[in-house]
Amino acid sequence: QKEVEQNSGPLSVPEGAIASLNCTYSDRVSQSFFWYRQYSGKSPELIMSIYSNGDKEDGRFTAQLNKASQYVSLLIRDSQPSDSATYLCAVNIDGNNRLAFGKGNQVVVIP
Amino acid sequence: NAGVTQTPKFQVLKTGQSMTLQCAQDMNHNSMYWYRQDPGMGLRLIYYSASEGTTDKGEVPNGYNVSRLNKREFSLRLESAAPSQTSVYFCASSELGGGVGGELFFGEGSRLTVL
Repeated sequence: QKEVEQNSGPLSVPEGAIASLNCTYSDRVSQSFFWYRQYSGKSPELIMSIYSNGDKEDGRFTAQLNKASQYVSLLIRDSQPSDSATYLCAVNIDGNNRLAFGKGNQVVVIP
Repeated sequence: NAGVTQTPKFQVLKTGQSMTLQCAQDMNHNSMYWYRQDPGMGLRLIYYSASEGTTDKGEVPNGYNVSRLNKREFSLRLESAAPSQTSVYFCASSELGGGVGGELFFGEGSRLTVL
């Protein structure tokens, strides 16, 4: 099993709808979880971090963490065309010194 | 504030040639990383340096070497480039590594093509 898995294919959502992205991880001792956004041809940028079980909201973004199920998700409410990008899930592994990334999920918001 | 600066941004090599990708950060971060990104593969860690004076292998280290020259600079060297090393390379830095608060700041990337 890969360390971080994002299995969903490209996600198309109408403008104003909710986009839901999922991520599972294999390291039970992982403590830090991140969602990065990457526009085509650009470098990744952090949009959310979460460290405790439950929900964390920041504007239109909500991250959800369930350590028992080794699952982290990202919700994008009121999706905008500017949200069209690839979203990368990242999880710290081997203690604190490195992050493993999932393959990413492409989101396309249709006006 | 420049953040993380990578050079060069584009490079074309022939098989067997060598080159070094340079990375410098001005945020006084302890940890630095080199990732490669290929279509459909996400970001894969090549090498990282948790602190000045230390380096460790990541997921895909074969064919690469690194040097943590000082706290600011972390270089990636391809001794004998192969077509399989055609990729986009990202350097990143972090104040606290991958732990709590360990946000990674990325450079703009270096596009390498090996013919």
